[in-house]
Amino acid sequence: DTGVSQDPRHKITKRGQNVTFRCDPISEHNRLYWYRQTLGQGPEFLTYFQNEAQLEKSRLLSDRFSAERPKGSFSTLEIQRTEQGDSAMYLCASSLALDEQFFGPGTRLTVL
Amino acid sequence: QKEVEQNSGPLSVPEGAIASLNCTYSDRGSQSFFWYRQYSGKSPELIMSIYSNGDKEDGRFTAQLNKASQYVSLLIRDSQPSDSATYLCAVILYNFNKFYFGSGTKLNVKP
Repeated sequence: DTGVSQDPRHKITKRGQNVTFRCDPISEHNRLYWYRQTLGQGPEFLTYFQNEAQLEKSRLLSDRFSAERPKGSFSTLEIQRTEQGDSAMYLCASSLALDEQFFGPGTRLTVL
Repeated sequence: QKEVEQNSGPLSVPEGAIASLNCTYSDRGSQSFFWYRQYSGKSPELIMSIYSNGDKEDGRFTAQLNKASQYVSLLIRDSQPSDSATYLCAVILYNFNKFYFGSGTKLNVKP
């Protein structure tokens, strides 16, 4: 257990529904990252926060995706109008400044 | 060309042998390099970080970095069946907010 928690661990939804995931980073870590991983691939970067500021957003993150980190603590990732191609493991990681990233257990999303 | 390239494997080694895992990267501005281990169905677990040319040892693991050749490797000595997993190479350019992972090399350690 790295100290990064994610909720829920599994989510099954129907195409077109909205879903929201939560990540709680290690308490002293000011940087928080979201990645997406599909079978046989490495994690793909989605977005990155330093404290409450969203500093970078991947081209992979379409308009249906939004992430927030209010007050620089936990973060949420919302996917609107889910599509079958959104099925993946959504990973959150945190780091202290420019340092090693520690991953949470992930949220596995299945879109039917 | 992918930013980080790894041989997908599987790499099979007998128990007790040295496993050698390799990774190449394309961006010469890369600053930080990491190796993660990922068991099936689990999230990546950090093994090693390396930031400067040369070797860095931690227990049975040695990371090697050669920035001129844009090459990172991980050696696992005295491999154990519990080392069987997928090993991910990560390359970070913090100044440019770029975070790249390879697709991973699957390692099988046979008893």
